[in-house]
Amino acid sequence: QKEVEQDPGPLSVPEGAIVSLNCTYSNSAFQYFMWYRQYSRKGPELLMYTYSSGNKEDGRFTAQVDKSSKYISLFIRDSQPSDSATYLCAMSARSGGSNYKLTFGKGTLLTVNP
Amino acid sequence: NAGVMQNPRHLVRRRGQEARLRCSPMKGHSHVYWYRQLPEEGLKFMVYLQKENIIDESGMPKERFSAEFPKEGPSILRIQQVVRGDSAAYFCASSPVGVTEAFFGQGTRLTVV
Repeated sequence: QKEVEQDPGPLSVPEGAIVSLNCTYSNSAFQYFMWYRQYSRKGPELLMYTYSSGNKEDGRFTAQVDKSSKYISLFIRDSQPSDSATYLCAMSARSGGSNYKLTFGKGTLLTVNP
Repeated sequence: NAGVMQNPRHLVRRRGQEARLRCSPMKGHSHVYWYRQLPEEGLKFMVYLQKENIIDESGMPKERFSAEFPKEGPSILRIQQVVRGDSAAYFCASSPVGVTEAFFGQGTRLTVV
């Protein structure tokens, strides 16, 4: 079982739709959770960062962490064509001072159609 | 993420040659990380460095790969005697002290022919 599982998609939605992206994980030591956006042939761009469980909102983006289910989500409201990209979840553990080491999902390719 | 500078952006090497990838972290960041992204694979951690110190190289292949972050100048990821399987995108990230989230550069795409 991979430490982090993410449906690769592709996911295609019309402009204005609500998008839900998800990852599951198996390592219960993970406490830091991030979402990155990666445009084609570019570097990952940090979108959201959450520590432990709960919700975090930033503009059109909401990140949710459910540690009991080992499940994290990213919601995008009022999706725009400019949101078309690959979305990567990433997480790290706190134990042993290794919170810097990010474990990534493979990414979900999202296309928002005008 | 424009603050983390990587060069070159594209690098083509013949099998057996050496590849040197450079990374300058964001201003004020003293921690540098290298990740590799193989086709159809997620980003994989390779190494974590601070100035003049390798902190964690648990993700580095045992042979042919090395990394450094000298007191002056950029961090260097060096791949000796490259093979076709080394073809990938190599990303550098940096962070300030005590911060978990990392900011990535645009990557170096290495092609071994």
